[in-house]
Amino acid sequence: AQSVTQPDIHITVSEGASLELRCNYSYGATPYLFWYVQSPGQGLQLLLKYFSGDTLVQGIKGFEAEFKRSQSSFNLRKPSVHWSDAAEYFCAVGPMNNFNKFYFGSGTKLNVKP
Amino acid sequence: DAGVTQSPTHLIKTRGQQVTLRCSPKSGHDTVSWYQQALGQGPQFIFQYYEEEERQRGNFPDRFSGHQFPNYSSELNVNALLLGDSALYLCASSLFTGQRETDTQYFGPGTRLTVL
Repeated sequence: AQSVTQPDIHITVSEGASLELRCNYSYGATPYLFWYVQSPGQGLQLLLKYFSGDTLVQGIKGFEAEFKRSQSSFNLRKPSVHWSDAAEYFCAVGPMNNFNKFYFGSGTKLNVKP
Repeated sequence: DAGVTQSPTHLIKTRGQQVTLRCSPKSGHDTVSWYQQALGQGPQFIFQYYEEEERQRGNFPDRFSGHQFPNYSSELNVNALLLGDSALYLCASSLFTGQRETDTQYFGPGTRLTVL
């Protein structure tokens, strides 16, 4: 069965510090992987996606993610966090045969200390 | 260019009632998916509509039904509301191109449903 695990429920980092949010997935075929961000009162905004090719994916707002097949992971990173990055982040897996039936993790809430 | 819009923003209902939520997709999109996001959880796929037909369905009871109109807008209906139906309901739209790389979903801000 498909599943996505985000082991960190809450993370607090200082502004300017680096960030890594973890995502592990379980899927029986080649996964299509996504990271979304959700601010209060907002819908989900796509940060980046991975389909194939280069395992290091660049996204918007300075985020990047690395796909590691051997570890079934797709961790999100940012070298220097800004206060405006405080939000909830969701990792998602999309199956090959259904483009929009996503399986989401339970999210990681990011707090940024000044 | 308007993105995905949903109405209403908030809704309060009592157990046993019925509710209808509405979604207008992003301009040019023809596929609408609905998700339920319970508090502290990630969104869960309810169903997806394309060409006015339900194309895929998640693990939700028949109390959850939907419709897509010729202008691609969509409704989500929930009958016999339960306390557990309280959640944020998200609508997402996309354009079906048959190409995985370009079928990107855009999400609306959601409708917050509270069942008392």
